[in-house]
Amino acid sequence: GESVGLHLPTLSVQEGDNSIINCAYSNSASDYFIWYKQESGKGPQFIIDIRSNMDKRQGQRVTVLLNKTVKHLSLQIAATQPGDSAVYFCAEIISGGGADGLTFGKGTHLIIQP
Amino acid sequence: AAGVIQSPRHLIKEKRETATLKCYPIPRHDTVYWYQQGPGQDPQFLISFYEKMQSDKGSIPDRFSAQQFSDYHSELNMSSLELGDSALYFCASSLLVSDGYTFGSGTRLTVV
Repeated sequence: GESVGLHLPTLSVQEGDNSIINCAYSNSASDYFIWYKQESGKGPQFIIDIRSNMDKRQGQRVTVLLNKTVKHLSLQIAATQPGDSAVYFCAEIISGGGADGLTFGKGTHLIIQP
Repeated sequence: AAGVIQSPRHLIKEKRETATLKCYPIPRHDTVYWYQQGPGQDPQFLISFYEKMQSDKGSIPDRFSAQQFSDYHSELNMSSLELGDSALYFCASSLLVSDGYTFGSGTRLTVV
């Protein structure tokens, strides 16, 4: 079935470096995408979202890029800090489509090396 | 700011027992969602409620049921528990689908 997935289960970066986490989706009808951060034993925490009518959105130290042509989503984290260590999920939804459950990707575990 | 409150935080049950998980959404949020997350897995959507009516249904087993009450809190009832039901159960709430969902801290259910 159609699903959202991440390319790498684990990503290790040096503290202070930039990190890029990728996600490929296959449902071309999805029009709303969210990145979540999940620390061990905690619920997913909203980071940033983007709608299909945009190709880039910036937050504090984070940028989400959306390439609808190749159905690709990425999360860029600038100047990574130890507190960024977590599992990152992308999620998709067709807003207003009557189905309001998020479809999550498989998650990338970001490890920040000192 | 008030967040999504889930109770209990941890629950241990034996096989074939029943369990009830509770979720209190952010005030004014009218939609509640339930997700199940197995060890090392991504969250899987179970069911959602909007204005106390079931809104959408995902991969929720027939042994599970849920409802949303007049104060908008929701309960997930799980019967005939199986070992495979051991997981983190998250509740999320939103005011609009396009509003981004806020997740609670989850209930860790262990079936022994």
